[in-house]
Amino acid sequence: AQSVAQPEDQVNVAEGNPLTVKCTYSVSGNPYLFWYVQYPNRGLQFLLKYITGDNLVKGSYGFEAEFNKSQTSFHLKKPSALVSDSALYFCAVRVRVIGAGSYQLTFGKGTKLSVIP
Amino acid sequence: ETGVTQSPTHLIKTRGQQVTLRCSSQSGHNTVSWYQQALGQGPQFIFQYYREEENGRGNFPPRFSGLQFPNYSSELNVNALELDDSALYLCASSLGPGMNTEAFFGQGTRLTVV
Repeated sequence: AQSVAQPEDQVNVAEGNPLTVKCTYSVSGNPYLFWYVQYPNRGLQFLLKYITGDNLVKGSYGFEAEFNKSQTSFHLKKPSALVSDSALYFCAVRVRVIGAGSYQLTFGKGTKLSVIP
Repeated sequence: ETGVTQSPTHLIKTRGQQVTLRCSSQSGHNTVSWYQQALGQGPQFIFQYYREEENGRGNFPPRFSGLQFPNYSSELNVNALELDDSALYLCASSLGPGMNTEAFFGQGTRLTVV
C-alpha cells in the first residue's frame, strides 16, 4: 500500500530556531507529495508540493521541504520558527483510487508543532 | 481562504439517525472529494464526485453516500449513524480528478454522534 509516515507525534522548538517536521513515504513509482497545515477547528491549508524537478521545494509562509529519494523522505523545514507556526502538520501522498480514474490524498497521522516563545 | 465552504460547521446527532453535510466548491472546480478526520488522525478519503457521478471510493460502507449537483456543489449523506462516525468531515474541490490537480479544503463540519 502506498503511504506516508510521520514518526513524531509532537515537535517542540524555541521561537527563532530552525524547525523540521519529518515525513517518510512508501510509494511505487514517482511520488507526488504534499504538506498541509491545520489550525484548531479549521480545515487544511496547502503549504507546498513536490511533483518533479528540484528536490528543494519552497512553499507558503517561509516553509520549504526537501525531497530525498534515497531516504524516501520529504521533511518540512523552516529556518526560523514563529509562535504563529504552532499547528498540526500533515504530510500526504497522491495515490490512484483502486478501480477508478481518480486520485486521492493519503495522509500521515499528523505532527503537532509547538513553538515556544 | 480557499473559497470552499461547508455547512453546517457543527452538529450533533443521535445514533441511528441520518445526516446530510453540504459543500460548495471553489469557483470553476468540477471535482469534489470528501474526507473523514477522526480525532488524532489524518484525514481518510471517503469518495470523490466528478461531473455529478461518483468517481472513486475509499474504504467506507454504503451507508456513506453522496451527490454532486450541476453547479458542482456536493452533499455527503450518512445513514444509520454510529458513534464512530463522530469526526471532522472535510470537503476538497479541484479542477478535475487528475494527478496534477491541487485540492483546496473547506473548514470542515464537526459531527458528534451521541
